[in-house]
Amino acid sequence: RKEVEQDPGPFNVPEGATVAFNCTYSNSASQSFFWYRQDCRKEPKLLMSVYSSGNEDGRFTAQLNRASQYISLLIRDSKLSDSATYLCVVNPSTSGTYKYIFGTGTRLKVLA
Amino acid sequence: EPEVTQTPSHQVTQMGQEVILRCVPISNHLYFYWYRQILGQKVEFLVSFYNNEISEKSEIFDDQFSVERPDGSNFTLKIRSTKLEDSAMYFCASVREGNSPLHFGNGTRLTVT
Repeated sequence: RKEVEQDPGPFNVPEGATVAFNCTYSNSASQSFFWYRQDCRKEPKLLMSVYSSGNEDGRFTAQLNRASQYISLLIRDSKLSDSATYLCVVNPSTSGTYKYIFGTGTRLKVLA
Repeated sequence: EPEVTQTPSHQVTQMGQEVILRCVPISNHLYFYWYRQILGQKVEFLVSFYNNEISEKSEIFDDQFSVERPDGSNFTLKIRSTKLEDSAMYFCASVREGNSPLHFGNGTRLTVT
């Protein structure tokens, strides 16, 4: 099983739609989780951290399910500007080191 | 807002040449990273650096690679003898403390010809 796994997509959705992405991770001891957004040929940018109780930032909601070892990202009322690749990042935090592992990313296209 | 800076933004080199990629992490950050992204592929971990030494490295980070923090502010990645397959985007990142989010620089696009 891959350390961090995402459906690569692309997800093509109309403006205003709600879309959800999942990401699974293999290391049950993982401590911290993040969603990043990456535009073509640019650096990843933090979208949001993912907390155990779930968290929301405007149109974006992140959830963590430790029992099933996955995190999710929900985007409501999609905008054209949401078109990007969404990267799931997991920090296994084993042996006192902090090695952030990236998923392959899920590509989102929001269509007018 | 403080940011991670990387230079150069684009480096073209011939196979077999040495390259040094430079990064200035955010000043109060303690952990430093290099990642690589080959065009169209995932962001891959290369190496992490803490307390002036490598804390973890991936299989990609072989003897051709080295990192240094020579003066307390710069953080460099050296590739001794570049190969065609080293062509990629190289991202530097830093975090203030363990489990915090990574902050990335704009990246250096390395093209090996």
